[in-house]
Amino acid sequence: QSVLTQPPSVSGAPGQRVTISCTGSSSDIGAGYDVHWYQQLPGTAPKLLIYGNNNRPSGVPDRFSGSKSGTSASLAITGLQAEDEANYYCQSYDTSLTGWVFGGGTKLTVL
Amino acid sequence: EVQLVESGGGLVKPGGSLRLSCAASGFTFSIYGMNWVRQAPGKGLEWVSLISSSSSQIYYADSVRGRFTIFRDNAKNALFLQMNSLRAEDTAVYYCARGARSITPHNWIDPWGQGTLVTVSS
Repeated sequence: QSVLTQPPSVSGAPGQRVTISCTGSSSDIGAGYDVHWYQQLPGTAPKLLIYGNNNRPSGVPDRFSGSKSGTSASLAITGLQAEDEANYYCQSYDTSLTGWVFGGGTKLTVL
Repeated sequence: EVQLVESGGGLVKPGGSLRLSCAASGFTFSIYGMNWVRQAPGKGLEWVSLISSSSSQIYYADSVRGRFTIFRDNAKNALFLQMNSLRAEDTAVYYCARGARSITPHNWIDPWGQGTLVTVSS
């Protein structure tokens, strides 16, 4: 059971907007720690998608955006494309565990 | 281009040991913290361990503390994970991944290697 809670799956049609939530607690996201997001395409290693809550690394399309509020964070994907079909993970830090933690992951299906 | 190449995975019996290696290139290895992150088959990501650039700071997940040891050789641009007392639940792909220059709770992980599979089974 992950410290950060994500929906197991989300789906959307091409061109639509989807959001993926990441819910934590007062010992992780709510304590002010940054949230980062990773994309894992089938059969590949994870890739950094969003860092520092809402920053995109070079090369990541602006269709991807992140936000954080209170004990939760969200990843939004607009203009959904078939190539976005992947697993998405949020990551933060947990002060009670004294370690870095991931969400359980969300599988995005493009219909 | 930053490259991280893991090796050393394989099949090991419960209670056995294994040492993973990660060869780094394309960046100044000695100034970055380095992580190990694992992923059990069909499951999500689990952070395992982090070592600072100078090895002065080392952190472990509760699930591996006391059994795994992370260390590095900056002269050889190499990261290691010594895994002892292995259990079936340690079966996973182990990724080597770069951290930040300074370790803070806000650190992210980027980039990642391609991973090496460790299977613990009798």
